[in-house]
Amino acid sequence: GAGVSQSPSNKVTEKGKDVELRCDPISGHTALYWYRQSLGQGLEFLIYFQGNSAPDKSGLPSDRFSAERTGGSVSTLTIQRTQQEDSAVYLCASSPSGDLLFFGSGTQLSVL
Amino acid sequence: AQSVSQHNHHVILSEAASLELGCNYSYGGTVNLFWYVQYPGQHLQLLLKYFSGDPLVKGIKGFEAEFIKSKFSFNLRKPSVQWSDTAEYFCAVTTSGTYKYIFGTGTRLKVLA
Repeated sequence: GAGVSQSPSNKVTEKGKDVELRCDPISGHTALYWYRQSLGQGLEFLIYFQGNSAPDKSGLPSDRFSAERTGGSVSTLTIQRTQQEDSAVYLCASSPSGDLLFFGSGTQLSVL
Repeated sequence: AQSVSQHNHHVILSEAASLELGCNYSYGGTVNLFWYVQYPGQHLQLLLKYFSGDPLVKGIKGFEAEFIKSKFSFNLRKPSVQWSDTAEYFCAVTTSGTYKYIFGTGTRLKVLA
């Protein structure tokens, strides 16, 4: 595709439910990132994948959060047993070489 | 761990005023520095970047930033802002040999026409 695609664009869920957020990076980009954007917190690093290397998961806030990247392309961020504090915009970005990030439009997650 | 601080959270300026947004990072080694901008309703996009060489970097739309290693700073400047510069600005850093971007908390700029 022409850019980084994220789905869904909006997700409303009930507290305690699991959610899956999808990111389709730009074809050929080896690096893929997940960030969480919330008011006053800026862009919080969650996880990044670089080629076939083990992902850097150092930003995941709890073991309820996990992410995978299949075939070096599409990535899914899963949040289990969602809490209200998980409400935020989840941004995905990809990069061909690490010197420039291309961002998607994000998934607005609302946990009721 | 490295971190990025943006001390101005909200800035309001009139058109034609000069702009300087502060960015400081904490890391003692070689860094790559970036400013990204998010215009209302749009994706985050790159404004400018510094990897090496001339510490004064020029970006799009008349923005520039100066890397001052001794101060661990990478402040963003524009001599004369326009209403269309209203946006949120994020400073970011990566350290040499990694692709892990650490962002600051952002600065919301509002330019009054």
